[in-house]
Amino acid sequence: VLMQSPGTLSLSPGERATLSCRASQSLGRNYLAWFQQKPGQAPRLLIFGASSRATAIPDRFSGRGSGTDFTLTISRLEPEDSAVYYCQQYDVVPRTFGQGTRVEIK
Amino acid sequence: EVQLLESGGGLVQPGGSLRLSCAASGFTFSTYAMNWVRQAPGEGLQWVSAIRSNGDDTYYADSVRGRFTISRDNSKNTLFLQMNSLRVEDTATYYCARLRTDSGWYEDYWGQGTLVTVSS
Repeated sequence: VLMQSPGTLSLSPGERATLSCRASQSLGRNYLAWFQQKPGQAPRLLIFGASSRATAIPDRFSGRGSGTDFTLTISRLEPEDSAVYYCQQYDVVPRTFGQGTRVEIK
Repeated sequence: EVQLLESGGGLVQPGGSLRLSCAASGFTFSTYAMNWVRQAPGEGLQWVSAIRSNGDDTYYADSVRGRFTISRDNSKNTLFLQMNSLRVEDTATYYCARLRTDSGWYEDYWGQGTLVTVSS
């Protein structure tokens, strides 16, 4: 089980967003991904392997963590970052997603 | 450019069947594992099923095992999901996604999804 917090984050442009994802058991291989989903769109891969940025993802997105605690940081929020962010573990079957964190830009 | 285009969704009665397709282009389809993930209206993401690049191995979530069948036709660059004995709780947008398998299996490209509504 993956638990994401907070449920909603409301911040201003330029601020830093920190999203948390906690696993109920250790992900030994750090097989943890982060996805961004905007309304009406498919999810988009941001981070894989807990800390590797996917192709064409801006460097203001960064991931870190190991074991059971993982974090996605958006260093300088931009209006287009408004979305729901999901973490996913692909360490064990079935692969599972967190319930999501909604990021709102004031 | 990687493109995944799902089709086959629609309205079906409980107990009915539906076959989803996902047409792939922009990459060598036969060398990638593929995935189906669904999202109920207003809800989060749920993995449904995966298949290896050669189709030899398939994997299912407990909630669909025995009712859904994933398959692929590498000659036509197409992924399928045969859904039988559909239930109201299967109502969702179904996404196909390409899986990278270099270090674990993770989705790197997603289609736009096709909506399946199970209702009487």
